[in-house]
Amino acid sequence: QVQLQESGPGLVKPSETLSLTCTVSGYSISSGYFWGWIRQPPGKGLEWIGSTYHGGNTYYNPSLRGRLTISSDTSKNEFSLRLDFVTAADTAVYYCARDLGAGGDSDCWGPGILVTVSS
Amino acid sequence: QSALTQPPSASGSPGQSVTISCTGSSSDVGGYDSVSWYQQYPGKAPRLMIHEVIKRPSGVPNRFSGSRSGNTASLTVSGLQAEDEADYYCSSTTGTYVIFGGGTKLTVL
Repeated sequence: QVQLQESGPGLVKPSETLSLTCTVSGYSISSGYFWGWIRQPPGKGLEWIGSTYHGGNTYYNPSLRGRLTISSDTSKNEFSLRLDFVTAADTAVYYCARDLGAGGDSDCWGPGILVTVSS
Repeated sequence: QSALTQPPSASGSPGQSVTISCTGSSSDVGGYDSVSWYQQYPGKAPRLMIHEVIKRPSGVPNRFSGSRSGNTASLTVSGLQAEDEADYYCSSTTGTYVIFGGGTKLTVL
């Protein structure tokens, strides 16, 4: 059974970089599927961040392009999110997920990690 | 790109059917088959209930069904049960990225 788990700091200072890792167990990310990130500000709705395919292709939310990097490490069976120059608006629960395709359709999710941007 | 439009709330009594709409445009909901619906309980990760407009993942009760007419997708929950009370989100691809609806809080009366 596929399981995903987010990890990283829960507190980031404004203007600094948010870095999260999603460790996948039960499935090799190099075998297929897309692997993505979604976030949810406290009390608000879901926002798609981006995704990566095992071949290296990446897809980003245009509103975050320029600050965002999604990468994968098949040797560790994990993929990562890096968001630069964060502000309070980036405070959210961040989820990693397995996507059935480039169009989303996220069928397996991690439990989520709350990241707060504050000095 | 604007978020997809969902009603903020919906409700029904146990045993009844409820339909939640998700309105977009021909550039997203109406133009691609990557339309999904998610169920989310407070403090929990979302769960995929419908993908590719009408497909139901293994384990999802057949009380949940998806459909689409033009630029509007719909999720219908038949035979409402107390456990169906949750937030529901739709999503669609735009061809290059994914957008979500604002979410609908479903209340079982």
